[in-house]
Amino acid sequence: AQKVTQAQTEISVVEKEDVTLDCVYETRDTTYYLFWYKQPPSGELVFLIRRNSFDEQNEISGRYSWNFQKSTSSFNFTITASQVVDSAVYFCALSEAANNNDMRFGAGTRLTVKP
Amino acid sequence: DSGVTQTPKHLITATGQRVTLRCSPRSGDLSVYWYQQSLDQGLQFLIQYYNGEERAKGNILERFSAQQFPDLHSELNLSSLELGDSALYFCASSSRTGASTEQFFGPGTRLTVL
Repeated sequence: AQKVTQAQTEISVVEKEDVTLDCVYETRDTTYYLFWYKQPPSGELVFLIRRNSFDEQNEISGRYSWNFQKSTSSFNFTITASQVVDSAVYFCALSEAANNNDMRFGAGTRLTVKP
Repeated sequence: DSGVTQTPKHLITATGQRVTLRCSPRSGDLSVYWYQQSLDQGLQFLIQYYNGEERAKGNILERFSAQQFPDLHSELNLSSLELGDSALYFCASSSRTGASTEQFFGPGTRLTVL
């Protein structure tokens, strides 16, 4: 069965620092999809990115970037020049094509950005 | 705002009771998913409906059931409630189904069982 590990429970940084959130996954499927979601203090989960197993290109969106490496089964998320508004819990998730709609979430990493 | 609405926002009830949580998906979305978020279990997938039909089941207890109505809104019924059922229940929706589909989450219903 698929599994997602986010080993960092909590991270605290000072504004403008760069921070990387780690995500390691396990799957036996060759076709799978990786996601990152953000859960701000308001509680609602916000979709950030989706990546499929055949596309290892890194992605950059503003201050956010994602590094997908199949060799290490990792899909890490970096925030550059962090801001207080980035404070949230971030979840990495995995969905296998064979298990269709069973999206497995990691335990989440709570990021606190201090001014 | 994702466009997914959930009611009520908060619910407080006693053990042994039954409650119903309601979800309206984004306009045009056919898929509805239910998740439970608790401190000890994290975020867990419960069940998915697509256009009125059950499509996938996760870690949903037998005391829990769900349905999706012709207007595509969904309800999650929780019965014989136990203290351990206290959690945040999320509904998510998507325009299609399948592993590649990104899901859009509602604000959640916080259930407290006393």
